[in-house]
Amino acid sequence: GENVEQHPSTLSVQEGDSAVIKCTYSDSASNYFPWYKQELGKRPQLIIDIRSNVGEKKDQRIAVTLNKTAKHFSLHITETQPEDSAVYFCAASLFGNEKLTFGTGTRLTIIP
Amino acid sequence: GAVVSQHPSRVICKSGTSVKIECRSLDFQATTMFWYRQFPKQSLMLMATSNEGSKATYEQGVEKDKFLINHASLTLSTLTVTSAHPEDSSFYICSARTHRFGNTIYFGEGSWLTVV
Repeated sequence: GENVEQHPSTLSVQEGDSAVIKCTYSDSASNYFPWYKQELGKRPQLIIDIRSNVGEKKDQRIAVTLNKTAKHFSLHITETQPEDSAVYFCAASLFGNEKLTFGTGTRLTIIP
Repeated sequence: GAVVSQHPSRVICKSGTSVKIECRSLDFQATTMFWYRQFPKQSLMLMATSNEGSKATYEQGVEKDKFLINHASLTLSTLTVTSAHPEDSSFYICSARTHRFGNTIYFGEGSWLTVV
């Protein structure tokens, strides 16, 4: 089955700086890669996703890049703000199949 | 607004008892829902796939007789934790996908289970 690794497990960034979280996946058949933000005790919220037919996608301060050959994808948050502090999870699946394999999570702390 | 609703949000039960958690899709039909478990400070781990009108598919290592899943209608899946033990204390969360909102996977609010 699919295995998703995520790094780093914790990340502290000065407010206004950029944050980068990286994930690798094992199943070359995976073609859908969402990123979720989860605050303590709450449901994961989708913040951005990418499908394997593109290499990069951007939505305001958030961007995701995908390298299918290397089987890794990354989340980039620019101009970080205190409200960006949360746990972020990457995931992988086959598009159309709701079965997600999650990474281990990154606790992002934005230092004011 | 929320498109997947879960109930209860928090439940405390005694060891040895059973507890049922409901997952409802609002305003759409979900032939498939997924149940995840998340221990504190850990990731979401898929427990099982709930299939409407048929048996659930369990992930390796998940006891199907302990975690009973029923998906009797197109908008409701239930997870029953039977003979609960303290080690079953966790955050249980369901998900479903709808084509109505960009084919996105939505999660329920989650249910905190504490077994005492």
